Amino acid sequence: KQEVTQIPAALSVPEGENLVLNCSFTDSAIYNLQWFRQDPGKGLTSLLLIQSSQREQTSGRLNASLDKSSGRSTLYIAASQPGDSATYLCAVNSNSGYALNFGKGTSLLVTP
Amino acid sequence: EAGVAQSPRYKIIEKRQSVAFWCNPISGHATLYWYQQILGQGPKLLIQFQNNGVVDDSQLPKDRFSAERLKGVDSTLKIQPAKLEDSAVYLCASSLDPAYNEQFFGPGTRLTVL
Repeated sequence: KQEVTQIPAALSVPEGENLVLNCSFTDSAIYNLQWFRQDPGKGLTSLLLIQSSQREQTSGRLNASLDKSSGRSTLYIAASQPGDSATYLCAVNSNSGYALNFGKGTSLLVTP
Repeated sequence: EAGVAQSPRYKIIEKRQSVAFWCNPISGHATLYWYQQILGQGPKLLIQFQNNGVVDDSQLPKDRFSAERLKGVDSTLKIQPAKLEDSAVYLCASSLDPAYNEQFFGPGTRLTVL
């Protein structure tokens, strides 16, 4: 069974810092990996999707990398802003089925 | 392009009552998912539809939960009777292709069972 772990569970940084969120998964046989953002009381917003054949994806200040062989992904946020404060969820689309397996998320607070 | 629509946004019920949630996926998306998200956890799949057929319902508590997707578009998720532990956010998502495409999520329905 696919297990997804996110570290750290919570992170607080001052505005302007670059930061890295980590995601690890136990079964490397995946179709893709997706990073989401969730604001309090809201649904999930898709940030980046990395196919299993890709190494990284970029969107604006966000860069996500994927190392399938080691079962790891990172989400890099450059020049953080208070508006980036949210919970970031990593999810894997596994070989064993098509539903996403989610981590518990990293709660990010960017202080002015 | 309109996103995934869900209603209601919030629902409060007493235990043992019944409740239903509605989802309208993005137009043209053949795959529809219902997830349950308990506070502090990541979403967990309840059921997955491909068009109007069930692909995976292995984690759906079938003694109390049911779901249908008539005509391969809208879907409803029902709980009867509700238990305290059903308090959660119920998220609907859709995708063009289950294996390779992004999943897009609706705003969710927050259920509180008293």
